[in-house]
Amino acid sequence: DAKTTQPPSMDCAEGRAANLPCNHSTISGNEYVYWYRQIHSQGPQYIIHGLKNNETNEMASLIITEDRKSSTLILPHATLRDTAVYYCIVRSGGFTSGTYKYIFGTGTRLKVLA
Amino acid sequence: GAVVSQHPSRVICKSGTSVKIECRSLDFQATTMFWYRQFPKQSLMLMATSNEGSKATYEQGVEKDKFLINHASLTLSTLTVTSAHPEDSSFYICSARAAGSSNQPQHFGDGTRLSIL
Repeated sequence: DAKTTQPPSMDCAEGRAANLPCNHSTISGNEYVYWYRQIHSQGPQYIIHGLKNNETNEMASLIITEDRKSSTLILPHATLRDTAVYYCIVRSGGFTSGTYKYIFGTGTRLKVLA
Repeated sequence: GAVVSQHPSRVICKSGTSVKIECRSLDFQATTMFWYRQFPKQSLMLMATSNEGSKATYEQGVEKDKFLINHASLTLSTLTVTSAHPEDSSFYICSARAAGSSNQPQHFGDGTRLSIL
């Protein structure tokens, strides 16, 4: 089972910030949070990942709560091209055991409105 | 950035045919690649983990004799759907993670849409 829960859908006005929440209350101390998005009929696109500090790159910002049980992906100025399904993933398994893998949840379907 | 190429992007073939899908990491070496399947309006489902030079690890419920995985080099993994039937029609996606980087993200190919008539 996926280790994250997300709202099934959200709308956002074009040009406004899109804030996508994710709960990962069972996250372990050394597990990273990864965000991807999938535009229709394409493979998932990597956005950002983090451990406990807030992260920012050219695509988005990632805010992780101090207890690490939840995070928020922020798209600062959403455009129509940001319409996609956004997945928050906490890696399952351990690298050294060779069982490291992603288990995808249902994600959040973000619709950016003109 | 890391690029993963998947080929072909679309396949349409008759029932009973075997179909091979290639997944290549173009600018990095990948000791581990992953194969997913996605049905319409559903999320990605992990099928198997492909390890270079060893047997793949299949998820529960995925038939290893039906979905043959070969990872013969650090840049190439293949998935062969053997004796494909209409119920195997789906969107197949691979991903790869760079060697020696346990916390770096996986990078995904653009998927292969398989349609079995």
